[in-house]
Amino acid sequence: SQQGEEDPQALSIQEGENATMNCSYKTSINNLQWYRQNSGRGLVHLILIRSNEREKHSGRLRVTLDTSKKSSSLLITASRAADTASYFCATLEGGYQKVTFGTGTKLQVIP
Amino acid sequence: EPEVTQTPSHQVTQMGQEVILRCVPISNHLYFYWYRQILGQKVEFLVSFYNNEISEKSEIFDDQFSVERPDGSNFTLKIRSTKLEDSAMYFCASSEARIGVTEAFFGQGTRLTVV
Repeated sequence: SQQGEEDPQALSIQEGENATMNCSYKTSINNLQWYRQNSGRGLVHLILIRSNEREKHSGRLRVTLDTSKKSSSLLITASRAADTASYFCATLEGGYQKVTFGTGTKLQVIP
Repeated sequence: EPEVTQTPSHQVTQMGQEVILRCVPISNHLYFYWYRQILGQKVEFLVSFYNNEISEKSEIFDDQFSVERPDGSNFTLKIRSTKLEDSAMYFCASSEARIGVTEAFFGQGTRLTVV
């Protein structure tokens, strides 16, 4: 299996609803990050959570990290049409100077 | 707001030709990276660069690839003898400290099409 697999692969919700995306990983990590990518565009850093943190908030975003289960979740509250994008988790593995991206969740928010 | 800029935004090249993808990282950043994303697939790490040398590279980054920081502001990725399977979006990134410790800033990407 790959480091960093998100589920679901695709998610479609109505504007105003909450969206939850999950990420699982295999090896021990220093931290985990979430990125957003609009179709055909660059990657935008959303939030970083360190391995010793359990939960972090940034605006409408809430990220949790469970290192015992090697999983993380990204919650977007009160979604907007502009949140439509692909969301990737990315992990920094211990001792390595690279970030490994997951497969991504494609979120569609219907106005 | 400072940003990473990449040029060109789209490059079409003949198979077997050499291409150079250019990036201007954020000026006070010390770490530079190239990633690629084949259409519909995940973002893959290629190489990281610090203090004028490669600090880490993936299996993808073979002898066909090279990176350079020719003049203190640009950071380039050269692909020699391009193959069809090199068609992808290539992202440059930079960070102030080690990636993952502080956030990395990504450029908008160069879409490379090999025909």
